[in-house]
Amino acid sequence: DAGVTQSPTHLIKTRGQQVTLRCSPKSGHDTVSWYQQALGQGPQFIFQYYEEEERQRGNFPDRFSGHQFPNYSSELNVNALLLGDSALYLCASSPRQGSGAFFGQGTRLTVV
Amino acid sequence: AQKVTQAQTEISVVEKEDVTLDCVYETRDTTYYLFWYKQPPSGELVFLIRRNSFDEQNEISGRYSWNFQKSTSSFNFTITASQVVDSAVYFCALSEANTDKLIFGTGTRLQVFP
Repeated sequence: DAGVTQSPTHLIKTRGQQVTLRCSPKSGHDTVSWYQQALGQGPQFIFQYYEEEERQRGNFPDRFSGHQFPNYSSELNVNALLLGDSALYLCASSPRQGSGAFFGQGTRLTVV
Repeated sequence: AQKVTQAQTEISVVEKEDVTLDCVYETRDTTYYLFWYKQPPSGELVFLIRRNSFDEQNEISGRYSWNFQKSTSSFNFTITASQVVDSAVYFCALSEANTDKLIFGTGTRLQVFP
């Protein structure tokens, strides 16, 4: 049983560009959440998708957007990249509320 | 507002020592969940335990044990007879009952030396 998978694992982008990160949830999980983890910090909640809709959103600007597909996989898009967007982006999936989330290995984004 | 505090930034121990990682949380909800995750250098967050606010029983899993005390809003994690493979960053997290949004602490880096 594959766990949560994310792609790519590493990415380097130039300031001002746009980026798309991808996530496939663990089998049987229908809820996908995205987190941003800056170096030396705990993960920060970006948003959560359930039934192809954004269910909750953290304190992130509109440059951060997402999508969930019918097969529950998800994308995170970031527009107009800033140097401060450099971080590890983690995807998490869960089967139901309060059950705890299972995380992927993350995508390390570097903005230069 | 919800908040998780992990006051210990870094802990270093020698193999076979016992070590306790502290976690203090704040929430106004009566129903909530507490979690511990391990993050090795590879970056993936590994789920260790989930506890709901109505279950204050301590839990033991092998060398790991957790002490949940609502009276002090603490959910501490103890590793007995630590091993080098335990070296990682450990995060405590909190979520409300009707959401999967996790609020993380800043983490405690544990280094276990041989």
